[in-house]
Amino acid sequence: EIVLTQSPGTLSLSPGERATLSCRASQSVNSRYLAWYQQKPGQAPRLLIYGASSRATGIPDRFSGSGSGTDFTLTISRLEPEDFAVYYCQQYGSSPWTFGQGTKVEIK
Amino acid sequence: QVQLQESGPGLVKPSETLSLTCTVSGYSITSGYQWGWIRQPPGKGLEWIGSLHHSGSTSYNPSLKSRVTISVDTSKNQFSLKLTSVTAADTAVYYCARFVDYWGQGTLVTVSS
Repeated sequence: EIVLTQSPGTLSLSPGERATLSCRASQSVNSRYLAWYQQKPGQAPRLLIYGASSRATGIPDRFSGSGSGTDFTLTISRLEPEDFAVYYCQQYGSSPWTFGQGTKVEIK
Repeated sequence: QVQLQESGPGLVKPSETLSLTCTVSGYSITSGYQWGWIRQPPGKGLEWIGSLHHSGSTSYNPSLKSRVTISVDTSKNQFSLKLTSVTAADTAVYYCARFVDYWGQGTLVTVSS
């Protein structure tokens, strides 16, 4: 099983700042099968990024994904008020599919 | 517009079987993609339960494999989850999804007597 470890656990930032979220895998992940989600309280996760770097439909370009192998990054270039949420990475290339434990981006 | 909607009992007794159905609109399950279930215990992270390929093959999380069955009803464009011998640890919000892009709103299932 591929274990995904996200860091930091919580990121305290102000609107307008840049957020950098990390997802590290216990073994190599095929980049085609690495996704990032945003989840707000009481809502289902929303797909942001798939294939490590492709933005999903309707996702603003302030969200970008990068990385390969065991290290992946989600960057939010300038935080908007609606971006404060929990973010999860997921690999779906190797069974069992696994999620990271999440990074909470909170208002400083 | 693809939409998924979970349905089923919100309360299940310990040792009984949890049964949920996902109704899909806007896309035929048999046309492509993988479909399946994810759950999230209250206040915790996401856990993949299992997937159904549009061809009909299935794969399950080994941690749940002995208790899980995912099946499809193509005539109704639905797929279902059965989880047997539930305990309080199975209390969670259960989501159905078209992997990876469309998710249902989720349904809370509580295991309690």
